[in-house]
Amino acid sequence: NAGVTQTPKFQVLKTGQSMTLQCAQDMNHNSMYWYRQDPGMGLRLIYYSASEGTTDKGEVPNGYNVSRLNKREFSLRLESAAPSQTSVYFCASRGASGTEAFFGQGTRLTVV
Amino acid sequence: TQLLEQSPQFLSIQEGENLTVYCNSSSVFSSLQWYRQEPGEGPVLLVTVVTGGEVKKLKRLTFQFGDARKDSSLHITAAQPGDTGLYLCAGRDSNYQLIWGAGTKLIIKP
Repeated sequence: NAGVTQTPKFQVLKTGQSMTLQCAQDMNHNSMYWYRQDPGMGLRLIYYSASEGTTDKGEVPNGYNVSRLNKREFSLRLESAAPSQTSVYFCASRGASGTEAFFGQGTRLTVV
Repeated sequence: TQLLEQSPQFLSIQEGENLTVYCNSSSVFSSLQWYRQEPGEGPVLLVTVVTGGEVKKLKRLTFQFGDARKDSSLHITAAQPGDTGLYLCAGRDSNYQLIWGAGTKLIIKP
């Protein structure tokens, strides 16, 4: 079982460049999430998707867009990267009845 | 805004010692989860507590949910280097969303 798969694992961008972080889950979960993790600040929710076809803003959505492509895939796009977006990004999924969140391995993004 | 405060933020102790970390809120949660995160990996669920006053044990780890379902603690007995990691608590609110604490970074020195 792959669980939640994120790509890429590492990325360096120049300020102003764009990129898309990919996430796929094979657990047939309805809900998917994008978080960023910064030292001392825990996990902060960027966007989430409660089901296929819906997306909602989280705590820190500015500078990001998302697409729930289908039930399996949820992508995060940075249109114009800024140094403040340097962080570790995690994708997660949760089932309809379960409370447990399953996480990918993370993407370490550096914007220079 | 619901907040979960974890303390301490950082703890470094010798192998064999006992420790307790805390997760506190002014809000009531329907359940509370504890995760452990190792470097370069995503968080992994350790336990979910649901009932006020509930105590769960996972080998040397003991988890307790407060009677009012606003706080929780994690106690580790005879800590080992393998317990090193970032411990995160997350409360499930009435909208089914998870509210995350900032984490306790635990280092166990051999």
